[in-house]
Amino acid sequence: DSGVTQTPKHLITATGQRVTLRCSPRSGDLSVYWYQQSLDQGLQFLIQYYNGEERAKGNILERFSAQQFPDLHSELNLSSLELGDSALYFCASSVGPEPNTEAFFGQGTRLTVV
Amino acid sequence: DAKTTQPNSMESNEEEPVHLPCNHSTISGTDYIHWYRQLPSQGPEYVIHGLTSNVNNRMASLAIAEDRKSSTLILHRATLRDAAVYYCILRDVLAGSSNTGKLIFGQGTTLQVKP
Repeated sequence: DSGVTQTPKHLITATGQRVTLRCSPRSGDLSVYWYQQSLDQGLQFLIQYYNGEERAKGNILERFSAQQFPDLHSELNLSSLELGDSALYFCASSVGPEPNTEAFFGQGTRLTVV
Repeated sequence: DAKTTQPNSMESNEEEPVHLPCNHSTISGTDYIHWYRQLPSQGPEYVIHGLTSNVNNRMASLAIAEDRKSSTLILHRATLRDAAVYYCILRDVLAGSSNTGKLIFGQGTTLQVKP
């Protein structure tokens, strides 16, 4: 158990819909990272937050947005869903953004868009 | 982001040592070398990291070349549970701006362990 909790574990929804994925980081971790993993793309970095503020952006679509709340949990919002958005979405957390710290990953949310 | 190069796949026999290589010829002086692995149907898992010196922990050892342009993850006795995709990642320090610490994953090395 990494200490990072993601909910829900599975999500099935229709095209055009909007969903929210939730991540609770390990206790004491201030940095949260979101990743998307699809079969043909591997693990893609989406976005990072540190202590409530956006720190880095990766290949995140405009239809996707995220935020980190004062209690440090984070949510990833996916809207106008397309079939190609079907993937595993992972959240990770670390104490901070320093490169000598380790990141801990949750078990992921499997999103299926039908 | 500095890039790493790893073999696509490797095979090992159970209870034998495994050496997983990684090339990172464009590494900068402040990049940390991280290794993560991903078991089937699970999220990535931290294995080990280092800067210049070799590192050991309960999971593995990390051998870093003197010029830091390559490194090797060593699993001392492979078990069936070690079958996974292993990722070698450079985690950067951004001069003149805030650190992000983001991990950029490549394709990794798929390790098969034969009984």
